[in-house]
Amino acid sequence: NAGVMQNPRHLVRRRGQEARLRCSPMKGHSHVYWYRQLPEEGLKFMVYLQKENIIDESGMPKERFSAEFPKEGPSILRIQQVVRGDSAAYFCASSPAAGTGEQFFGPGTRLTVL
Amino acid sequence: QKEVEQDPGPLSVPEGAIVSLNCTYSNSAFQYFMWYRQYSRKGPELLMYTYSSGNKEDGRFTAQVDKSSKYISLFIRDSQPSDSATYLCAWGDSNYQLIWGAGTKLIIKP
Repeated sequence: NAGVMQNPRHLVRRRGQEARLRCSPMKGHSHVYWYRQLPEEGLKFMVYLQKENIIDESGMPKERFSAEFPKEGPSILRIQQVVRGDSAAYFCASSPAAGTGEQFFGPGTRLTVL
Repeated sequence: QKEVEQDPGPLSVPEGAIVSLNCTYSNSAFQYFMWYRQYSRKGPELLMYTYSSGNKEDGRFTAQVDKSSKYISLFIRDSQPSDSATYLCAWGDSNYQLIWGAGTKLIIKP
């Protein structure tokens, strides 16, 4: 049973470019969460999605950031016009249901903005 | 006051020692508690999950929750060099959002 998959593992972008991060949840999981982690810091919640729905995006910056989880295909976290401060590790987690706390994480995408 | 307090370490102990990792929290609404292990440049891995006060044991790992003191601990017995990682505590309420500690870096010296 494959775990949560994320790609790319490493992404380098120049300021002003777009970054697209992909996440495929574990089989049978319909709940996806995105987190950002800065060096030496804990995880910061960004957004929670179910298939075709954004449930909570309270942790996501209002501008430049968006997320989707279409009926078919992976969840996408999109960052437009990246700035150096967007450099971080972005983790996706999935769970079979909401409210249980058991979230399973992918390996992360490390975004570097030059 | 932060919702979760966790000593960042690093905590360095010799192989075979008993390790104690701790977190405190301030929000009484938290109902379930987790410990995750994160190796360098990897995603967090769920180690222990509990929603009640008391102890929960899994192999060499024991999670202890004291809701009255808002305090949780993770004990690792017979520590191994492979246990060297960052340990993250996390809390949740009845919903889905987890609140995370910043993590304690643990180093087990052979």
